[in-house]
This record gives sequence, C-alpha cells and structure tokens, in this order.
Amino acid sequence: GAVVSQHPSWVICKSGTSVKIECRSLDFQATTMFWYRQFPKQSLMLMATSNEGSKATYEQGVEKDKFLINHASLTLSTLTVTSAHPEDSSFYICSAPGQGHNEQFFGPGTRLTVL
Amino acid sequence: QQQVKQSPQSLIVQKGGIPIINCAYENTAFDYFPWYQQFPGKGPALLIAIRPDVSEKKEGRFTISFNKSAKQFSLHIMDSQPGDSATYFCAAHTGGGNKLTFGTGTQLKVEL
Repeated sequence: GAVVSQHPSWVICKSGTSVKIECRSLDFQATTMFWYRQFPKQSLMLMATSNEGSKATYEQGVEKDKFLINHASLTLSTLTVTSAHPEDSSFYICSAPGQGHNEQFFGPGTRLTVL
Repeated sequence: QQQVKQSPQSLIVQKGGIPIINCAYENTAFDYFPWYQQFPGKGPALLIAIRPDVSEKKEGRFTISFNKSAKQFSLHIMDSQPGDSATYFCAAHTGGGNKLTFGTGTQLKVEL
C-alpha cells in the first residue's frame, strides 16, 4: 500500500514556542491530506482537511490561528502548532487518501510534548 | 448523526479465541466501512474494509459482518494471537470529501 511519513516522530518544546510537523506521501500524490489529534486511550479526532493550493478546512472547535496548515505541494502538508501550551501535548497523525479515494493511509504519528 | 458507536471498550480473550468488536452508525450516507489496527505509539493501519452492498468480507483471519438494515457491522478475529493485541477502530466514510468518522476504539488483549 501507499506510504505516508511524518517528521518528526516526537518533539518536546517549551511553552510558548511553535512546532512544525511534516506529513509526506512518499509514493503517491495527495491533493488532500487530513490531520488528526489523539489523546491517550482515545479515538482519533479530525482537526482539519489540508487542501493543496487552497486554504485548509477546519473542524468545528479547532482554532485556525493556533493550528496552521500549509499544503505546499502534492506530497507535503505541514501542521504548525503556534504558541504551544501543555494542553496541546498530544499525538498528531496525518493521513492521505489513496488512488481509490476510499482508502486512507495514515502516517506513523508525531508525539508532541509541551513543557 | 455523524457518530459511529463502538463496543466493547476493552476485551480480553485467550489465544485461539474469536474476539468480536461491534459498531453501529446512524448516517445512511456512509458507504465504506474500514477497520483499523493501532499499536501503541503508531499510526492506524488499515485491516479490512467493506461496502454496504456486501454482507460479509473475509481477509485472512479477519472477517467483517455487515447488517445494512440494522446499520451495524462487526469485526471477528479468528484464531487470535498475542500479536493481535492492539486497539481496533471501526470507521465510516462517505464518498464525497473522503472524511472518516471513527468509532471510540476497542483495546484488545490476547492472552497466552
């Protein structure tokens, strides 16, 4: 199946700093990518849909100015957590739909810890 | 209407047993129902998926049963192994937009 990578796999930062997480589709192009957030022992919560060449679509309750999404190319989407606080500590996962448009391939996730 | 309800929350079975995880949905616009397996600290991986025009799908030791009239579907793991210990998520998807709605997850432990 298709491969989606994320970088970094984990990051620790100080409160108030910004952190950028990259999501890449390695062997296919993705005009759309999705960003999820997962707290321990909980389900995946969709944060936003990243659209290549246009603005991201955010889910209700997700702060656009805090979670900046840029879909720079057909293989790269980035999520920047701005002015991070301890409550932003979570597991962030991206996904991209495959050619069949029903299958979704998930990245390995990025563990963010804000001190 | 967008919810997918999943049960049980956790499940312990003996090696060789057949754990069954159930999901129910309300939105009849859902047209694709995948199951994902997630190990701690990893992203979810697609296990098996079914469309509503099929009542059962089998891939290896994994079987999905689908009841369209009841709006329910379930995952059966045959001959379960300790390596199957993971969290399992059901999900539902509509054709347009590619958005997935996830169930709450089931933490499965297979004991020797």
